[in-house]
Amino acid sequence: AQSVTQPDIHITVSEGASLELRCNYSYGATPYLFWYVQSPGQGLQLLLKYFSGDTLVQGIKGFEAEFKRSQSSFNLRKPSVHWSDAAEYFCAVGSLIQGAQKLVFGQGTRLTINP
Amino acid sequence: GAGVSQSPSNKVTEKGKDVELRCDPISGHTALYWYRQSLGQGLEFLIYFQGNSAPDKSGLPSDRFSAERTGGSVSTLTIQRTQQEDSAVYLCASSSIGTRLDFGPGTRLTVT
Repeated sequence: AQSVTQPDIHITVSEGASLELRCNYSYGATPYLFWYVQSPGQGLQLLLKYFSGDTLVQGIKGFEAEFKRSQSSFNLRKPSVHWSDAAEYFCAVGSLIQGAQKLVFGQGTRLTINP
Repeated sequence: GAGVSQSPSNKVTEKGKDVELRCDPISGHTALYWYRQSLGQGLEFLIYFQGNSAPDKSGLPSDRFSAERTGGSVSTLTIQRTQQEDSAVYLCASSSIGTRLDFGPGTRLTVT
């Protein structure tokens, strides 16, 4: 069965600092991988996704993630965070079943930005 | 275009009552999903519908939970005899074949 682990429940970084959020997955085949962000009072927004091809994926808002099969990881990075990046971040692994994506989410990482 | 919409946005109910939560997916999306997000928790898969196939109900936590999707579009999630542990945000999402999920704003359910 698929599973996703986000080891860090809460991370605090200073504005302008670099960021890396960890995500490890368990899946028997080539995974579809996603990062979603949930800002306070907002719905879930897709940041980026990996289906195949280049293992370094660029997303919106300056985020990127790298798929490392050997480590079963899909860590999210940003070189310089902004105060507006404070939110909850969810990693997810998906499988195509009957043409539909069935996603399993991690527990989420809450990001706090210090001014 | 219009995104996924859910109603109501907030629902407060007494323990033991039944509730219905509605989801209007993006037009043309064939797949529809329900997830639950409890306080401080991740997203828990409940059920999904894909076209005319039998729904995947593997995530429903008990037989008090059921869902329908009428005409391949609107879906209703029903919780019977609500319990306090049912308090959560219920999220609906839809997708086209093989693509990302687009989430609605959610319904916050509070059982008192």
